[in-house]
Amino acid sequence: NAGVTQTPKFQVLKTGQSMTLQCAQDMNHEYMSWYRQDPGMGLRLIHYSVGAGITDQGEVPNGYNVSRSTTEDFPLRLLSAAPSQTSVYFCASRKTDRDTEAFFGQGTRLTVV
Amino acid sequence: SQQGEEDPQALSIQEGENATMNCSYKTSINNLQWYRQNSGRGLVHLILIRSNEREKHSGRLRVTLDTSKKSSSLLITASRAADTASYFCATVFTGGGNKLTFGTGTQLKVEL
Repeated sequence: NAGVTQTPKFQVLKTGQSMTLQCAQDMNHEYMSWYRQDPGMGLRLIHYSVGAGITDQGEVPNGYNVSRSTTEDFPLRLLSAAPSQTSVYFCASRKTDRDTEAFFGQGTRLTVV
Repeated sequence: SQQGEEDPQALSIQEGENATMNCSYKTSINNLQWYRQNSGRGLVHLILIRSNEREKHSGRLRVTLDTSKKSSSLLITASRAADTASYFCATVFTGGGNKLTFGTGTQLKVEL
């Protein structure tokens, strides 16, 4: 059981480049989300999905797109990378029920130069 | 803005001592959860406490919840060097769908 798998683990982008952070889970969880973690700010929610075909914005969605074509995958796209998007990105999944724990991937450390 | 704030931001103790971290939140919640993050790693779930519960235990962990004060505490008893990590509280708040909102975290260092 792999849990939540994120790729890549590290990435350096130039300003203006685009890229997709991949996230896959094998636990058949309906709910998936993307967070970014910056020093001293904890985790902030970027986008989330309650099931295939359904996505919604979180706290800091600007500059990011998501889609959910399958239950397993929830990619995060950076349309035109900016230095302010330098951060560590985490994907998480959980069951839809409120009283359930989240399972996290190992993170993607992104640097935009 | 973030739902929760942990206090203290950083805590350094000796092995064998107890560590207490506090979390305050802003709005009514369905549940509150605590997570641990080792350096450079993803978060790992520790314990979940529902809004109608006041205390929960799991091994060396004890969590309390005071909904009237909108606060929770995490107690780690008999700390070990392996407990060195960042600890985050997270809430599923009422009316927020099923979103899990995190606080800013407490960095715990347990020294030998």
